[in-house]
Amino acid sequence: DTEVTQTPKHLVMGMTNKKSLKCEQHMGHRAMYWYKQKAKKPPELMFVYSYEKLSINESVPSRFSPECPNSSLLNLHLHALQPEDSALYLCASSQEGRRGADTQYFGPGTRLTVL
Amino acid sequence: EDQVTQSPEALRLQEGESSSLNCSYTVSGLRGLFWYRQDPGKGPEFLFTLYSAGEEKEKERLKATLTKKESFLHITAPKPEDSATYLCAVLSGGYQKVTFGTGTKLQVIP
Repeated sequence: DTEVTQTPKHLVMGMTNKKSLKCEQHMGHRAMYWYKQKAKKPPELMFVYSYEKLSINESVPSRFSPECPNSSLLNLHLHALQPEDSALYLCASSQEGRRGADTQYFGPGTRLTVL
Repeated sequence: EDQVTQSPEALRLQEGESSSLNCSYTVSGLRGLFWYRQDPGKGPEFLFTLYSAGEEKEKERLKATLTKKESFLHITAPKPEDSATYLCAVLSGGYQKVTFGTGTKLQVIP
């Protein structure tokens, strides 16, 4: 089973709202990722958690706040977003980076619209 | 800095017309090259991982190959349901960050 689930599928929020995106995997993977994807562009890495610790932060604005409560769950807390933050937000997971375990498996994404 | 270039940007094929997509890369210490398929508004779907030059993998109508500078995704006798954007990505060095190409949008016409 290589399933990563994400909720909600769609989210519309105002610039003053606080919301959260959720991601879950039960493959025993120890690395989890958040990506942002704009239309007709490849995914852009935002954050990487490795063994529940933040290992990569690609200089993402503080209005995006990741959280990894345990090895299966990954959240992305959103606050005071801008309309340009509207995008498809993708979660991915992989086993910790040894050869043969590098492949990232993606969830279906959350389509975020900021009004 | 790792670079990944995919060509063509878009490809239109008749059903049954075989072709190849190209992914050229420049990295220091390749750890893996990945192919994904992405349908509009959905997450990338994993297809293949390749690790060494000369490696080949197949799945249904798709075959991925790897050399020291590029990878090809061969599509044999494509069907309309193969229409999607195909993304190539590389992982190098000691990091977990993959570098994606900009993708090839494939359209297969019945």
